[in-house]
Amino acid sequence: DGGITQSPKYLFRKEGQNVTLSCEQNLNHDAMYWYRQDPGQGLRLIYYSQIVNDFQKGDIAEGYSVSREKKESFPLTVTSAQKNPTAFYLCASSLRDRKLPEQYFGPGTRLTVT
Amino acid sequence: LAKTTQPISMDSYEGQEVNITCSHNNIATNDYITWYQQFPSQGPRFIIQGYKTKVTNEVASLFIPADRKSSTLSLPRVSLSDTAVYYCLVGDLTSSNTGKLIFGQGTTLQVKP
Repeated sequence: DGGITQSPKYLFRKEGQNVTLSCEQNLNHDAMYWYRQDPGQGLRLIYYSQIVNDFQKGDIAEGYSVSREKKESFPLTVTSAQKNPTAFYLCASSLRDRKLPEQYFGPGTRLTVT
Repeated sequence: LAKTTQPISMDSYEGQEVNITCSHNNIATNDYITWYQQFPSQGPRFIIQGYKTKVTNEVASLFIPADRKSSTLSLPRVSLSDTAVYYCLVGDLTSSNTGKLIFGQGTTLQVKP
């Protein structure tokens, strides 16, 4: 049963703490992405990775870090430097293709920082 | 990536056909048009993708005129479960691009009984 999983679904942290969000896929996709969504807004790209051991900053990378040590995994760390970390975080993956690839999204992690 | 413009919200009734139009005036030759659907507190889901003319699948149809400066997502006979946000995206994955998707605010479709 192929898919993309994110854990946990809800996460609560105190201000000043780093927190790592998990993203795993068994679709054999090369590319993986992290998005952030705020209430009533569209998705904004944080980081993306086209291959293992390589990743690029998206539009709002400040205060976030990622790693891509395995094809299946792309964890996102929200650091204490991120000024407004409370948001809905979505991970996605896709094949690398000439046309705009279909991205498969996970169920999301809702992070609340107080 | 080409910027898109779509209505913020639309209302419809069960059983009606819904057409959501997206403008993308600066679409490039290699760009494809893709639509995603998102339910509250879930990740977006791919609906349909096209380059020109008409594309149809089991869920929707996508109409793209010859100049490709706009596109229309058509949902036949909507039901309450079609209430969601619909995003129009335009882009191209080439060696100089990255597969990045730019999501706007989308169109919130409210289907009423």
